[in-house]
Amino acid sequence: GESVGLHLPTLSVQEGDNSIINCAYSNSASDYFIWYKQESGKGPQFIIDIRSNMDKRQGQRVTVLLNKTVKHLSLQIAATQPGDSAVYFCAENILSSASKIIFGSGTRLSIRP
Amino acid sequence: NAGVMQNPRHLVRRRGQEARLRCSPMKGHSHVYWYRQLPEEGLKFMVYLQKENIIDESGMPKERFSAEFPKEGPSILRIQQVVRGDSAAYFCASSPYLEIQETQYFGPGTRLLVL
Repeated sequence: GESVGLHLPTLSVQEGDNSIINCAYSNSASDYFIWYKQESGKGPQFIIDIRSNMDKRQGQRVTVLLNKTVKHLSLQIAATQPGDSAVYFCAENILSSASKIIFGSGTRLSIRP
Repeated sequence: NAGVMQNPRHLVRRRGQEARLRCSPMKGHSHVYWYRQLPEEGLKFMVYLQKENIIDESGMPKERFSAEFPKEGPSILRIQQVVRGDSAAYFCASSPYLEIQETQYFGPGTRLLVL
């Protein structure tokens, strides 16, 4: 759902391990979901998207899983690399207002060498 | 193929001044969106524009904020009589509107600091 003014949760992962970042979305009417990566001082960068008629979608080293029953979205990053360090946001697209993307609160991914 | 461009990247204003933020969408994109981001938070939708039209401004504050996307030139987000609470990063995104659910591509943002 909408982000709130809280400190970002942090996920610390050993380099080479897999990372799993979770997100709960708020609107059951949402039918399009996106993961963005935001590095310090930069704009959000599109990673992968998924539509509500799918449960899973794979990209290069990334997989998104969608569980509509519990309104849960996850991003899996395989073989995490130092360049994956960033804040990751899930986002949902509201069916009645296709233009508006609602961002989640974000998770900071930290890579341990 | 250049991405979304925003300028200035950093903008410092004193309280009461005006801030103008510019956004040039990706080539071939006719839809522009503006978002605001406070530190340690996600992006909050402000306004959605097509050429010469405001489609959705439900996220815009009622006063002091305005946006336009003229037929020629970049989209402009204008903040009049800035206050310290306006300090934030402002991001522009664009999309081609190939279908109703479209990926939005973001620019690098303008970081506004109000003294």
